[in-house]
Amino acid sequence: EDKVVQSPLSLVVHEGDTVTLNCSYEVTNFRSLLWYKQEKKAPTFLFMLTSSGIEKKSGRLSSILDKKELFSILNITATQTGDSAVYLCAVEARNTDKLIFGTGTRLQVFP
Amino acid sequence: GAGVSQSPRYKVAKRGQDVALRCDPISGHVSLFWYQQALGQGPEFLTYFQNEAQLDKSGLPSDRFFAERPEGSVSTLKIQRTQQEDSAVYLCASSLVSGLAESIQYFGAGTRLSVL
Repeated sequence: EDKVVQSPLSLVVHEGDTVTLNCSYEVTNFRSLLWYKQEKKAPTFLFMLTSSGIEKKSGRLSSILDKKELFSILNITATQTGDSAVYLCAVEARNTDKLIFGTGTRLQVFP
Repeated sequence: GAGVSQSPRYKVAKRGQDVALRCDPISGHVSLFWYQQALGQGPEFLTYFQNEAQLDKSGLPSDRFFAERPEGSVSTLKIQRTQQEDSAVYLCASSLVSGLAESIQYFGAGTRLSVL
């Protein structure tokens, strides 16, 4: 059965800290891995990763995929209170267009 | 529109009532998806449309759940005879084209359904 596992489930840090969120997967016919940020509204798209070893970066956020070891990490440097959210990892398989999500990592950043 | 729009944002239903949830996808997006998100969990796939065709409904939990997209744009998710276990956030997503590596799903804000 296809599955996506995220860790840690919850993380509490102070502003300025750097955090690393983990996502491992077991999915048949992998196509892509996506990261979303979910506050109390629509999950917003962060990154789509399809190739191993190529880092994607947007401001203080970056992500990389390892297709051999079947995992991805999302890094956030110099965290701010506005980074507080649930970060969702999802994988899409080639034989279906649906996304398979992990449970999410809840990040809380305190001033 | 600029983004995926869902209505209502909140819905309270008495057990046994029927509800209808609406999704208006991004203009021009061919694919539309419905997901169910229970409290503290990640979204789970319910069903998927490509234009007006429902290509996958394997995630619908029971025959009380029904979705349609008759003109290939707006979609409605209907739940008949609601039960307490139906309480969740129902998310809609759309993407430009399915089956492509770069086709990103964009989500609406969801409808929070509470069944009393």
